[in-house]
Amino acid sequence: EVQLLESGGDSVQPGGSLRLSCAGSGFTFSSYAMSWVRQAPGKGLEWVSLIRSSGGSTYYADSVKGRFTISRDNSKNTLFLQMNSLRVEDTAVYYCAKATGSDYDASFDYWGQGTLVTVSS
Amino acid sequence: DIVMTQSPDSLAVSLGERATINCKSSQSVLHSPNNKNYLAWYQQKPRQPPTVLIYWASTRESGVPDRFSGSGSGTDFTLTISSLQAEDVAVYYCQQYYSTPLTFGGGTKVEIK
Repeated sequence: EVQLLESGGDSVQPGGSLRLSCAGSGFTFSSYAMSWVRQAPGKGLEWVSLIRSSGGSTYYADSVKGRFTISRDNSKNTLFLQMNSLRVEDTAVYYCAKATGSDYDASFDYWGQGTLVTVSS
Repeated sequence: DIVMTQSPDSLAVSLGERATINCKSSQSVLHSPNNKNYLAWYQQKPRQPPTVLIYWASTRESGVPDRFSGSGSGTDFTLTISSLQAEDVAVYYCQQYYSTPLTFGGGTKVEIK
């Protein structure tokens, strides 16, 4: 059974940093691209970032480019999102999602339960 | 960036009736070499993460009831629920994976009339 378990969400002040993690199990983690998708309270889905299966290429939404860094450790089946210079508008539930392929050109077939990030003074 | 526009924002349908959700992309998401539309539909029930219903615009995910169907090509797509059930109350999103940044539609909330 495929499982994605996010952790690391917390309440931080504007300008602060957080590191999210997503532990994958039940599939060959190193074979699939992985992504972060967020959802602000009461709002729709917003894609944040994606990393290729090998980790060789990364992609970002303009809203987080230069502030967030996606990475993965295929030896530990874990996806990360380093979030710096956090803003109030980054407040959201952050979902980890598994792609059906090795790069961005694939849909997402499994999602974690999400971890809440709150940015507030 | 490819902008995904869904309509309507919400709809109320009687149990057993048809629900139709539209999704329009600002650029074609049809990849000519393989003739595939890079378009997926997701369902999100309250307080749950999204789940995939349809990918490649019309391929139903394993385990998804056959009352859900996807159609369309190029820039215009439709998700149809042929006979609405109570458990289908949710928000539905389309998403393109043709190019980055990946983009979602704004969502369509489906309720029971």
